[in-house]
Amino acid sequence: AQSVAQPEDQVNVAEGNPLTVKCTYSVSGNPYLFWYVQYPNRGLQFLLKYITGDNLVKGSYGFEAEFNKSQTSFHLKKPSALVSDSALYFCAVRDMNGNNRLAFGKGNQVVVIP
Amino acid sequence: GAGVSQTPSNKVTEKGKYVELRCDPISGHTALYWYRQSLGQGPEFLIYFQGTGAADDSGLPNDRFFAVRPEGSVSTLKIQRTERGDSAVYLCASSPGLMNTEAFFGQGTRLTVV
Repeated sequence: AQSVAQPEDQVNVAEGNPLTVKCTYSVSGNPYLFWYVQYPNRGLQFLLKYITGDNLVKGSYGFEAEFNKSQTSFHLKKPSALVSDSALYFCAVRDMNGNNRLAFGKGNQVVVIP
Repeated sequence: GAGVSQTPSNKVTEKGKYVELRCDPISGHTALYWYRQSLGQGPEFLIYFQGTGAADDSGLPNDRFFAVRPEGSVSTLKIQRTERGDSAVYLCASSPGLMNTEAFFGQGTRLTVV
């Protein structure tokens, strides 16, 4: 079964500095990969996805993520963090050879310090 | 509305009671998912519908949990003999049904069993 690991509980970064949130995945086939963000008392919002093609994908609010098949990773990045980026970030995966089940990681709390 | 709608937004029930949580997906979306999210955790998969049928119900924790989607649109998650451990936010999501498409989430129903 597909699974996702987000090894860090919390990521602290100063405003204006680069932000990285780590994600590794496990699937039996090829992956479809997604990042979501959750603000307090809000539902999950889609940020970006990797389906095929270019390993670097760009998404909403200046976020991007890099797919690395050899390292089974899909780290989320932003070149310059904003205080408003403080939120909970979730990585998710579907197995291309499986059913349509979408498996989430435990999430990372990002705190951007002014 | 254009998004996924979940009702009620909050539900408080006594231990041992029966509850129903409703999800109204985005019109035309064939795939519908139920997740459970506890504080500080990622969404835990419960069940996935493709059309009217449950394509994967392996995440339902026990036989007290049941979900239906009789007409391939609205879905109801039913919990019998509720326990305090069932307290969580129950999230519903829908997608067009293709594996390379993202899922759109509702705001969730916060269930509290007292």
